[in-house]
Amino acid sequence: DAGVIQSPRHEVTEMGQEVTLRCKPISGHNSLFWYRQTMMRGLELLIYFNNNVPIDDSGMPEDRFSAKMPNASFSTLKIQPSEPRDSAVYFCASSRTGGSPLHFGNGTRLTVT
Amino acid sequence: AQSVTQPDIHITVSEGASLELRCNYSYGATPYLFWYVQSPGQGLQLLLKYFSGDTLVQGIKGFEAEFKRSQSSFNLRKPSVHWSDAAEYFCAVGAADSNYQLIWGAGTKLIIKP
Repeated sequence: DAGVIQSPRHEVTEMGQEVTLRCKPISGHNSLFWYRQTMMRGLELLIYFNNNVPIDDSGMPEDRFSAKMPNASFSTLKIQPSEPRDSAVYFCASSRTGGSPLHFGNGTRLTVT
Repeated sequence: AQSVTQPDIHITVSEGASLELRCNYSYGATPYLFWYVQSPGQGLQLLLKYFSGDTLVQGIKGFEAEFKRSQSSFNLRKPSVHWSDAAEYFCAVGAADSNYQLIWGAGTKLIIKP
């Protein structure tokens, strides 16, 4: 089991650019989560998918953020256009069901200059 | 309001000493309780969980936690810490009906003195 795989590990971009973060969940897990971690706000749930369907995106900060899950083995989180305040570590996590313990990827550290 | 409080932002202990990290929660429903650990540059890893039954739960890496409903607490303990335990520890609570929404504590950073 390779665990949850995220790419890239680090992303540095300029304000206004589009950023795409990628996630491959653990095979057989039906639930996928995108989290953002910052010193100021801690861990924030951005969006939750169940069986590839977005169930709750109330945590997505604004329309600049979008997430997709075209199949059970892949998800993306896109920020367009990016802003310096989007700088954070973005985690993808998966679980067997919505209430099961989470398995986190190693995160993508995003820096927007 | 639902919340999780980890009152200690940092804790420093000597290697070999015992450890207790505090977690208090406010939650309207029957809670599921979790402790996760985050090493630098890595994602969070589940240490242990409480769903029901025995209120003293054992986890990985020699950790245990005790659920005390009367005190709304779920403190994490380890009898003897190792330098490799230096990390940040997060307590989280969720609903017992498979609600995906976890309420996270702010984390406690554990520093180990040699």
